[in-house]
Amino acid sequence: KAGVTQTPRYLIKTRGQQVTLSCSPISGHRSVSWYQQTPGQGLQFLFEYFSETQRNKGNFPGRFSGRQFSNSRSEMNVSTLELGDSALYLCASSLTASGGPLSYNEQFFGPGTRLTVL
Amino acid sequence: DAKTTQPNSMESNEEEPVHLPCNHSTISGTDYIHWYRQLPSQGPEYVIHGLTSNVNNRMASLAIAEDRKSSTLILHRATLRDAAVYYCILRGTGNQFYFGTGTSLTVIP
Repeated sequence: KAGVTQTPRYLIKTRGQQVTLSCSPISGHRSVSWYQQTPGQGLQFLFEYFSETQRNKGNFPGRFSGRQFSNSRSEMNVSTLELGDSALYLCASSLTASGGPLSYNEQFFGPGTRLTVL
Repeated sequence: DAKTTQPNSMESNEEEPVHLPCNHSTISGTDYIHWYRQLPSQGPEYVIHGLTSNVNNRMASLAIAEDRKSSTLILHRATLRDAAVYYCILRGTGNQFYFGTGTSLTVIP
């Protein structure tokens, strides 16, 4: 079974530009979450999508947005890039959305997209 | 936000057991404790999870304190391939994970 794939793996942009990153979840998985990883802040949750709907959102500015398609593939977009947006962006897929406090969903992470903003 | 606290780094000799501690004093009664690890240049991968009882799988064991405010991940025999950053994680709303700073494990041959 193929794992989570993310494209592109590496990206270089300049300040002010926008960028779109793509994530294909494991076949049959319907929940996709996005995380930003930086040396200073570690891994931080961006948002989660399930059945094309955003279910949760982390504490990031509105420049960060995402969407999910009917085939569960997801994209995230960052507009007006800043130097501080340089990071590894990780996507994780789960079989379902959380069923509640005592439910468990293993998350499967992709290799990430390394974004460098110059 | 659910918070976890871990030592920044630990070392272990190859083929010896490793105990990685985690404090999660703000854990709620229904929170699972998750452990993931991140190998160099890879995304995090699942190690183990538990709720109240100690748990074992082929990768590791998880010992959970009776008050659930701390836990310990146990690698029974560290190998060079176990060198990674180990994250103790609590879950927020939905599938949102709160990652701590993690423990960077160095395995010495």
